[in-house]
Amino acid sequence: EDQVTQSPEALRLQEGESSSLNCSYTVSGLRGLFWYRQDPGKGPEFLFTLYSAGEEKEKERLKATLTKKESFLHITAPKPEDSATYLCAVQAMEYGNKLVFGAGTILRVKS
Amino acid sequence: DAGVIQSPRHEVTEMGQEVTLRCKPISGHNSLFWYRQTMMRGLELLIYFNNNVPIDDSGMPEDRFSAKMPNASFSTLKIQPSEPRDSAVYFCASSLAGTSGFPYEQYFGPGTRLTVT
Repeated sequence: EDQVTQSPEALRLQEGESSSLNCSYTVSGLRGLFWYRQDPGKGPEFLFTLYSAGEEKEKERLKATLTKKESFLHITAPKPEDSATYLCAVQAMEYGNKLVFGAGTILRVKS
Repeated sequence: DAGVIQSPRHEVTEMGQEVTLRCKPISGHNSLFWYRQTMMRGLELLIYFNNNVPIDDSGMPEDRFSAKMPNASFSTLKIQPSEPRDSAVYFCASSLAGTSGFPYEQYFGPGTRLTVT
């Protein structure tokens, strides 16, 4: 059973077209939910950590939110350089320091 | 800080050969993680260390895989003998987590792309 599910698998946007990526999780005892960005041929790059439901964090055109069952990564007025794979991961009490990653959403922003 | 350093960046080897991947974590970090990434299975945790001690190796696929962390600034992942299905990108990551349980973020290296022919 998948514990972290991301949707959509792929998303194509026009430059300036805002949208959201979803990460749903089924673990209990969530300690933290992480968002990463991965460019082709590179390692995942840390973006945000969310610790509790209701929390929000922002960085440039990205805003991450968290509920008890899911997280959203909102992208406002995206630019072509925002094109990447976005990964979410959860750390839960039962896992120790382990992160469980979702499969990712491939985002393409066209100018 | 130089970030997590991995070597080699690319490795091409023949089936049956021994492969050793190397990782230098960020200075001061006390947890180190080895991941494997493939198109089919995504990013999978193989093993992680706290304070140089292996804590969870349940993700190591077979006895052909082994990992060591002889000191706080160096770790190796060894595959012996290698097989074509081991072809993947292997990432090393480090964090401040240690034994605290606090959800510190992990910082990833650039990865080693392994091809076994």
